[in-house]
Amino acid sequence: AQTVTQSQPEMSVQEAETVTLSCTYDTSESDYYLFWYKQPPSRQMILVIRQEAYKQQNATENRFSVNFQKAAKSFSLKISDSQLGDAAMYFCAYFIYNTDKLIFGTGTRLQVFP
Amino acid sequence: EAGVVQSPRYKIIEKKQPVAFWCNPISGHNTLYWYLQNLGQGPELLIRYENEEAVDDSQLPKDRFSAERLKGVDSTLKIQPAELGDSAVYLCASSPSRAHGNTEAFFGQGTRLTVV
Repeated sequence: AQTVTQSQPEMSVQEAETVTLSCTYDTSESDYYLFWYKQPPSRQMILVIRQEAYKQQNATENRFSVNFQKAAKSFSLKISDSQLGDAAMYFCAYFIYNTDKLIFGTGTRLQVFP
Repeated sequence: EAGVVQSPRYKIIEKKQPVAFWCNPISGHNTLYWYLQNLGQGPELLIRYENEEAVDDSQLPKDRFSAERLKGVDSTLKIQPAELGDSAVYLCASSPSRAHGNTEAFFGQGTRLTVV
């Protein structure tokens, strides 16, 4: 079965601090992509960062970076210098290239305190 | 450039009534997805279109749900009759052809359905 697991239903962080959201996945595919999406109260999913499975180098996007451990099937998101606007639901997802399936985890609610 | 547009944003209906959601994807995007998102859960795929063809509808409850994308552009998702358990957010997403090497899906703001 192809699954995505986010074991932290809720996380909190103080403004300007760093927080890490965890994600593990299970797949037998070799060609896939991994994503972190942010969903604010407006409900619109916004892509935060993307990682190609064939790349060993961890992706970074400004204050957002990932720790991709392919053998362990782990894909955590680190948010540095957290801002109030980072508060949202965060979903880990993976995309199976040969089937176009985009599968989501159950999400982590991130609260940011001033 | 306009993003994925969905309407309505909110819908409240009585059980056993029909309901329809509309989605206009980003211009030029061949792939269109409909997702169901229950409260506190991640989105789950209902159906995926490549142009006007439904290439993956294995998760669509076909006894009451139907979808169409007649001209390969906008799409409608229908429920008839609606049940209390259908209360959820229905998300539409689109992405360019994979031939362009782009796998990012762009999402609309969803329709929150409440069945009473």
